[in-house]
Amino acid sequence: GNSVTQMEGPVTLSEEAFLTINCTYTATGYPSLFWYVQYPGEGLQLLLKATKADDKGSNKGFEATYRKETTSFHLEKGSVQVSDSAVYFCALSPYTGNQFYFGTGTSLTVIP
Amino acid sequence: DAGVIQSPRHEVTEMGQEVTLRCKPISGHDYLFWYRQTMMRGLELLIYFNNNVPIDDSGMPEDRFSAKMPNASFSTLKIQPSEPRDSAVYFCASSSSPGLAGGPGELFFGEGSRLTVL
Repeated sequence: GNSVTQMEGPVTLSEEAFLTINCTYTATGYPSLFWYVQYPGEGLQLLLKATKADDKGSNKGFEATYRKETTSFHLEKGSVQVSDSAVYFCALSPYTGNQFYFGTGTSLTVIP
Repeated sequence: DAGVIQSPRHEVTEMGQEVTLRCKPISGHDYLFWYRQTMMRGLELLIYFNNNVPIDDSGMPEDRFSAKMPNASFSTLKIQPSEPRDSAVYFCASSSSPGLAGGPGELFFGEGSRLTVL
């Protein structure tokens, strides 16, 4: 079946610290992988995506690389800001069809 | 462009009352999803539609929940009767069909409807 396992939070970092949020997946075939971000009081919005093995998705200083050999899609940012405080969701979607499978979310708080 | 529009943003009701949540997807999108978010269970898929037809409703908690999509621009999620354990944020999301290159269309979320059942 299809599932996503995400690093549990909450995570608290100081501004300018390095961020890693782990995500591993189980899927049949070749899924697309996503990171969505949810700011307080808002809906989820796409942060970045990768559609095939070894692809790197990037946006707003965040990066994640699709690793088929380790079935992982870890989110990284070199220097976090207070404005990055949010909940981050890893997700996958099978190659066929349009269904999305989300992880449980990781809450990030960045303190000045 | 307008995004996914949900109403109401907040709803407070008493146990036993009927609740109707509404969603207008992005024009041109042919997939519509209803999710529920709680602290305990995270983000759960309740049901999704393709071209107004329900494809998978296995996430609907029980018969008290029902969803309809009478046309491409409108969907409702109804809870009758409501219970305190239904308190959550309900999200509607829409996307377009996979393109020729394969892979899903991007999922766009509304801002959610926060339901509190007393």
